[in-house]
Amino acid sequence: DQQVKQNSPSLSVQEGRISILNCDYTNSMFDYFLWYKKYPAEGPTFLISISSIKDKNEDGRFTVFLNKSAKHLSLHIVPSQPGDSAVYFCAASARTSGSRLTFGEGTQLTVNP
Amino acid sequence: NAGVTQTPKFQVLKTGQSMTLQCAQDMNHNSMYWYRQDPGMGLRLIYYSASEGTTDKGEVPNGYNVSRLNKREFSLRLESAAPSQTSVYFCASVEPGGGYTFGSGTRLTVV
Repeated sequence: DQQVKQNSPSLSVQEGRISILNCDYTNSMFDYFLWYKKYPAEGPTFLISISSIKDKNEDGRFTVFLNKSAKHLSLHIVPSQPGDSAVYFCAASARTSGSRLTFGEGTQLTVNP
Repeated sequence: NAGVTQTPKFQVLKTGQSMTLQCAQDMNHNSMYWYRQDPGMGLRLIYYSASEGTTDKGEVPNGYNVSRLNKREFSLRLESAAPSQTSVYFCASVEPGGGYTFGSGTRLTVV
C-alpha cells in the first residue's frame, strides 16, 4: 500500500529549462509535505516543504505546489542546472503520526548541459 | 561538524551472519529513525525511537532489532542476515520541528 507515489522513475531536461517533478498521495490525513534531494553515496537532504494550509511555497529556484483536492503535489525547478541532477523524494507526514515521514519511490532528475 | 554518523559505510555478509549498524548524532535530538532504501521503493521505515528508552516498529521491522543506547546512539541489528536485507540503510535524527538530518548511509550486501 504505497501512500505516496512518484510515478516517474526518471526525468531528463536541458539546462535552463523547467523541471517538474510530480507526487501523488492517498492518505487524506497527510498535512505536511516535503521534498528531499539525494546525491549518490550521500543521505537525503531537505529541499523544501509545504503545509496543507498553503497551495504554494517558493524558495529561490524551487517552488512546490499542492493541490489538496487532487491529492497531488509538484516540485518546479526553474531554471534547471546540471548540479540539480539527483534523486528527488517526495515525503508526507500527518500530525497524528508525530514526525514520522512516508516517502515516495523517488525520481532521478538529470539536467543536461 | 554537527550531524549524523553511520558506521560502517559498506558491509558484505553471508546469509545467516549477524551484524549491528551504528548511528550516532550530536544534535541533542530526541527522535531517531532507521530507513532502508531499495530501488523503486523509496525509503521505508524500519524502526524509530521517539525518545531515549523507547523504540517502535515502522512498516518493515521483520528481521531487525534496535537499541536506543542513549540519547546519541541508535543501533540497528540483523540477527540472521538474509539476501532480502541487501539494501542501503539510512539513519536520521529528527529535530523537534520535524526536520530530518540523515547520515550518509550503510550499503549492505548479503550473499
